[in-house]
Amino acid sequence: EDQVTQSPEALRLQEGESSSLNCSYTVSGLRGLFWYRQDPGKGPEFLFTLYSAGEEKEKERLKATLTKKESFLHITAPKPEDSATYLCAAFSGGYNKLIFGAGTRLAVHP
Amino acid sequence: DTAVSQTPKYLVTQMGNDKSIKCEQNLGHDTMYWYKQDSKKFLKIMFSYNNKELIINETVPNRFSPKSPDKAHLNLHINSLELGDSAVYFCASSREQGDGYTFGSGTRLTVV
Repeated sequence: EDQVTQSPEALRLQEGESSSLNCSYTVSGLRGLFWYRQDPGKGPEFLFTLYSAGEEKEKERLKATLTKKESFLHITAPKPEDSATYLCAAFSGGYNKLIFGAGTRLAVHP
Repeated sequence: DTAVSQTPKYLVTQMGNDKSIKCEQNLGHDTMYWYKQDSKKFLKIMFSYNNKELIINETVPNRFSPKSPDKAHLNLHINSLELGDSAVYFCASSREQGDGYTFGSGTRLTVV
């Protein structure tokens, strides 16, 4: 069965302390790996799509990378405003649907 | 202008009632979705429509019935509400299946 697993479940960082979030996936016919940011009481906000192993994308302090089995979201010198839940999702070509992981709750403290 | 808008934002209702949630997108997207986010924040797809046609219907109780009058609207009607239906329901849209989704801000349904 198609599955997306994110780790850690929660992460607490000091401002400026870089780290990485992991997303491992098992899907039939991956057609895209997506990262979203979700703030409390709001809908997920699209960040990146990665389509093939080796691909990287950057946006401000965030960089997403993709291998054949997992994706990483690297956060460089985070700020308190980066605090949110980060969701990873894989589009399964076999089932024609976007499958989400449970998310990583990131808290960045000044 | 809000890209994907859902109404209402909050819905508190008693068990056994019937309720509807409305969704509209002004992005010109062809595909719309309903997702359910449970108390553990896990997002799970319920339905997907492409140009008013049902594409995905997950193992959702038949008390849930989506309706798409046109490709800009996807409403969700729920009959005989149960306590376990309490969750946040998100509408989303995409240009095509496999593209990045744009989500609405969610409807928090509480069944008492």
